[in-house]
Amino acid sequence: NAGVMQNPRHLVRRRGQEARLRCSPMKGHSHVYWYRQLPEEGLKFMVYLQKENIIDESGMPKERFSAEFPKEGPSILRIQQVVRGDSAAYFCASSLRTSGGTDTQYFGPGTRLTVL
Amino acid sequence: SQQGEEDPQALSIQEGENATMNCSYKTSINNLQWYRQNSGRGLVHLILIRSNEREKHSGRLRVTLDTSKKSSSLLITASRAADTASYFCATDPVIQGAQKLVFGQGTRLTINP
Repeated sequence: NAGVMQNPRHLVRRRGQEARLRCSPMKGHSHVYWYRQLPEEGLKFMVYLQKENIIDESGMPKERFSAEFPKEGPSILRIQQVVRGDSAAYFCASSLRTSGGTDTQYFGPGTRLTVL
Repeated sequence: SQQGEEDPQALSIQEGENATMNCSYKTSINNLQWYRQNSGRGLVHLILIRSNEREKHSGRLRVTLDTSKKSSSLLITASRAADTASYFCATDPVIQGAQKLVFGQGTRLTINP
């Protein structure tokens, strides 16, 4: 049973370009979460999605960032017109179900975005 | 305000010694989880302790939770060089509809051979 998969592992973009980060959850998991980690800091929640639905995007910047989790295919975190401050590690996590509280979230290896 | 805050920020001990890391949080929680992150890598889930539990063990790991003090501790016994990593606590706050984890800044643990 493969774990959470993310690609690419490293992504370099110039200012103003678009970045697309992909996440395939663990088999059978229908809940996906995106987090961002700045150097020497903990992870900060960005967005929580279920298939075809954004459940909680309270941690997403209002502009330039969007996320989706289509019926088929991976979840995508999209950053338009990247700026240097977007440089960070972006982690995706998935969980099996919710049961009134958060179930264990399993994390992918992350995508390290560098904006030149 | 920061929910999970680890203490100490950095810890360096000799191989074989025990390592204790603490985490404090501010709001009521459903559960608290500890994760390990090796440098430049993803997070590995270590243990989850629910709000109605006080102590949990997994191998060389022992986690305690004191909801009255809003604090948790992670104890690693008989440390090994491979335990060198950053350790994060993550809380699941009791907020209707929320499913996000709130992470602390982490404790950087170094095990010296």
